Amino acid sequence: EVVLLESGGDLVQPGGSLRLSCAASGFTFSSYAMSWVRQAPGKGLEWVSGISGTGGSTSYAGSVKGRFTISRDTSKNTLYLQMTSLRAEDTAVYYCAKDGYCGGDCYSNYWGQGTQVTVSS
Amino acid sequence: DIVMTQSPDSLAVSLGGRATINCKSSQNVLYSYNDKKYLAWYQQKPGQPPKLLISWASTRESGVPDRFSGSGSGTDFTLTINSLQAEDVAVYYCQQYYSSPLTFGGGTKVEIK
Repeated sequence: EVVLLESGGDLVQPGGSLRLSCAASGFTFSSYAMSWVRQAPGKGLEWVSGISGTGGSTSYAGSVKGRFTISRDTSKNTLYLQMTSLRAEDTAVYYCAKDGYCGGDCYSNYWGQGTQVTVSS
Repeated sequence: DIVMTQSPDSLAVSLGGRATINCKSSQNVLYSYNDKKYLAWYQQKPGQPPKLLISWASTRESGVPDRFSGSGSGTDFTLTINSLQAEDVAVYYCQQYYSSPLTFGGGTKVEIK
C-alpha cells in the first residue's frame, strides 16, 4: 500500500523559511517522479513543483521559482520542499503526491493527507 | 503556461441523473508522436486530498466506478458522471501534464439537487 506522510507545516512569519518533508512507503521510491501541490483556503489546486525519480530533473511553478527548492533522499525514501522568503499568499495545505509513469511530466496517482503552512505575522 | 478553464463552476444534479463537466485547454495537450492526451481528472471531497479518477483523458483508474467517464479532443475535454450517487458530491478538477508547469482547472462543484 502506497503511503505518503507529510510533515513540517507550521505558522511562520513573512520572509521566513520552512522545510516540508514527505515520507514515502509502499513503492520503489527512486522509480517515480514526485510532486508538491498546494491548496489555499477555499481555493483550487495549484501544482508547485516536481522532481524526477533520480532527482536529476526539477521544475517549479512561476509563483515559487527561486524561492522553493524540491529535493529527495532515496536512502530515506523522503521528499522535501525547502521554502524561503515566504509570503502570505503561500498559505495553503501542501500535498505530497506520487506521480504515475509517463516518461516525463505526469499525473499524480497517490496523495498524502497534506500539511498546513500558514504565513502570517 | 497552459491555462485550463473548467465549466460550469458548480452544478446540481438529481440522484441518478447525469453530470457533465467541461475542461478547455489553451493549447493542444495531445502528443502526436504517441497519440496520447495528457489530461487527468481528479475528485476532491471535503477535508480529503484529491483522488485520481482518470488519466490520458479517458483511462479510468483501478477501482473507479464505470459511471465516471472521460472524453475529448486535443483542447476540449469532458468528464461525465452517469447515475449520480450521493457519494459523488465533490469538487472535480482537470489537469494537464503535457508541459511544465502542470496546471489545474479551477474546479467544478457537484451537488445533489
